[in-house]
Amino acid sequence: GAGVSQSPSNKVTEKGKDVELRCDPISGHTALYWYRQSLGQGLEFLIYFQGNSAPDKSGLPSDRFSAERTGGSVSTLTIQRTQQEDSAVYLCASSPRTGATNEKLFFGSGTQLSVL
Amino acid sequence: GQQVMQIPQYQHVQEGEDFTTYCNSSTTLSNIQWYKQRPGGHPVFLIQLVKSGEVKKQKRLTFQFGEAKKNSSLHITATQTTDVGTYFCAGHSNYGQNFVFGPGTRLSVLP
Repeated sequence: GAGVSQSPSNKVTEKGKDVELRCDPISGHTALYWYRQSLGQGLEFLIYFQGNSAPDKSGLPSDRFSAERTGGSVSTLTIQRTQQEDSAVYLCASSPRTGATNEKLFFGSGTQLSVL
Repeated sequence: GQQVMQIPQYQHVQEGEDFTTYCNSSTTLSNIQWYKQRPGGHPVFLIQLVKSGEVKKQKRLTFQFGEAKKNSSLHITATQTTDVGTYFCAGHSNYGQNFVFGPGTRLSVLP
């Protein structure tokens, strides 16, 4: 597709269950970001992938959160043993990152995660 | 680590009034970007500023990047109801690092 695709769009899970959120970035984009947005709040950085470099995991809130990016394209964010405070919209963004003037982020529509 | 702040947090204006949001970084930025998020939507890129003191205009929107490259502002002239949403600034200290977003300014425009 032409844009960043995220799935599922909505996910309802029970406390303690594991969830996987998927992001398909725009083809050719080397940079991929995950952010979390709680209701009415700003964007909380989670993790950043750039090409073949080691990811910047500095924003992951706990060891229950992990992410991978296979083949430099699709990314999966995994949350283990979900807690109610994990409920939020999880946004993925990609960027061409071919130069300092070409860094703008293209966001997907997000996954609304609700932990009951 | 790098911190980006925005003020005000909320702004309610009457349609036709002007609006300004300010963005301040704890560190010098290589560039700064602005995004708009409509209610229920996702952030959409508006503009990028790179040079110290740079000013860019998009119709009724004027963006400025401070001389020290640590602050920026977005000014909307004669707001319209279509301007409703949350405006975020974002930047990073060095190219190649992740983007840090400000907390956003939520704009409401009363008709």
